[in-house]
Amino acid sequence: EAQVTQNPRYLITVTGKKLTVTCSQNMNHEYMSWYRQDPGLGLRQIYYSMNVEVTDKGDVPEGYKVSRKEKRNFPLILESPSPNQTSLYFCASRPTGLAGLRDTQYFGPGTRLTVL
Amino acid sequence: AQKITQTQPGMFVQEKEAVTLDCTYDTSDQSYGLFWYKQPSSGEMIFLIYQGSYDEQNATEGRYSLNFQKARKSANLVISASQLGDSAMYFCAMREFSSGGYQKVTFGTGTKLQVIP
Repeated sequence: EAQVTQNPRYLITVTGKKLTVTCSQNMNHEYMSWYRQDPGLGLRQIYYSMNVEVTDKGDVPEGYKVSRKEKRNFPLILESPSPNQTSLYFCASRPTGLAGLRDTQYFGPGTRLTVL
Repeated sequence: AQKITQTQPGMFVQEKEAVTLDCTYDTSDQSYGLFWYKQPSSGEMIFLIYQGSYDEQNATEGRYSLNFQKARKSANLVISASQLGDSAMYFCAMREFSSGGYQKVTFGTGTKLQVIP
């Protein structure tokens, strides 16, 4: 089954304790992206990656890191989480190329993060 | 300025009636794509419909249609014959061309639709 998986689905942590949220897709998609969703703000893009070793900042990259060492994986790293990073996080992927504009993104199930 | 504006935080519609969810956008690109997603209370993001900036006809997908008015920069979602299962949050999103391709995606703040029996 074609899917994007995220782990963990729920996480409660404390300020300053480094954490990683994993994202994996089995559709051989080149493009992957991370979003955070906050009430009243919709989804905001954190980072995206066009392919292995190619990443770029979205609209809200501060406090986050990403890496793309393999095509299927795109982990989100919070090196020193703070309470304002409490949010619902989505990973997404899609193919690129000539059809890239029309292709929708496939979203993971979301990770609900609480930073105390 | 916001790139995607959804001015209706919440809406009610009677079951079996049609409803229009508003979306306006702002871009200087000639080539862009517009998407609508549905997010039920369970949280997953479900793709509904796509409209390309060069598409001459309005997009339709089953009960969903997109009223695309390019000059007014609006891309309203029309849901015909509303069903109770349509109760959800709806997001409008735009993909613009940036260096290297279509990577950046901007979402609106969403409209919460509630269908009344």
